[in-house]
Amino acid sequence: AQSVTQPDIHITVSEGASLELRCNYSYGATPYLFWYVQSPGQGLQLLLKYFSGDTLVQGIKGFEAEFKRSQSSFNLRKPSVHWSDAAEYFCAVPRQAGTALIFGKGTTLSVSS
Amino acid sequence: GAGVSQTPSNKVTEKGKYVELRCDPISGHTALYWYRQSLGQGPEFLIYFQGTGAADDSGLPNDRFFAVRPEGSVSTLKIQRTERGDSAVYLCASSLGNTQYFGPGTRLTVL
Repeated sequence: AQSVTQPDIHITVSEGASLELRCNYSYGATPYLFWYVQSPGQGLQLLLKYFSGDTLVQGIKGFEAEFKRSQSSFNLRKPSVHWSDAAEYFCAVPRQAGTALIFGKGTTLSVSS
Repeated sequence: GAGVSQTPSNKVTEKGKYVELRCDPISGHTALYWYRQSLGQGPEFLIYFQGTGAADDSGLPNDRFFAVRPEGSVSTLKIQRTERGDSAVYLCASSLGNTQYFGPGTRLTVL
């Protein structure tokens, strides 16, 4: 069965430092993969997605993610974190192609000055 | 254009009462999804509509939960005999292809 694991519950990063949030998935075929961000009291905003092709995908707000099939991973990265990036980040895969998403438990990002 | 909207943004009710939560998807999106997000957790799937019909309702926790989408646009999630454990944020999403766009959610509190 499909599943998503986000190993880090909470990460604190200094402003201006680089960031990597981990996501591991279990999926029967080549997955579609998504990263969403949720700010306090807000809905989920799509950061980026991978469907096929280039394994390094660029998203909004300076984020990128790399699909590594051999490691079943889709880690999210940002070279320089801003205080406004503090939020909860969710990785997701579809239950089946084109249907509902399975989300990880999320990683809360705090940014220190 | 306008995104997914959900009303109300907050709903407080008493145990045992009936509630309805509304979702207005992005115009033209044929697929609509309901999720429930408990504190500290990721969203969990409830039900998925393709057009007017429920294509997958396997995430509904029990028969107190029901959802409709009579004209293939607006959807209503209905919860009967609410319980304190139903307290959560209920999220709606819509899509035309493989990418889902989420609304701001309805925070339901059952006292």
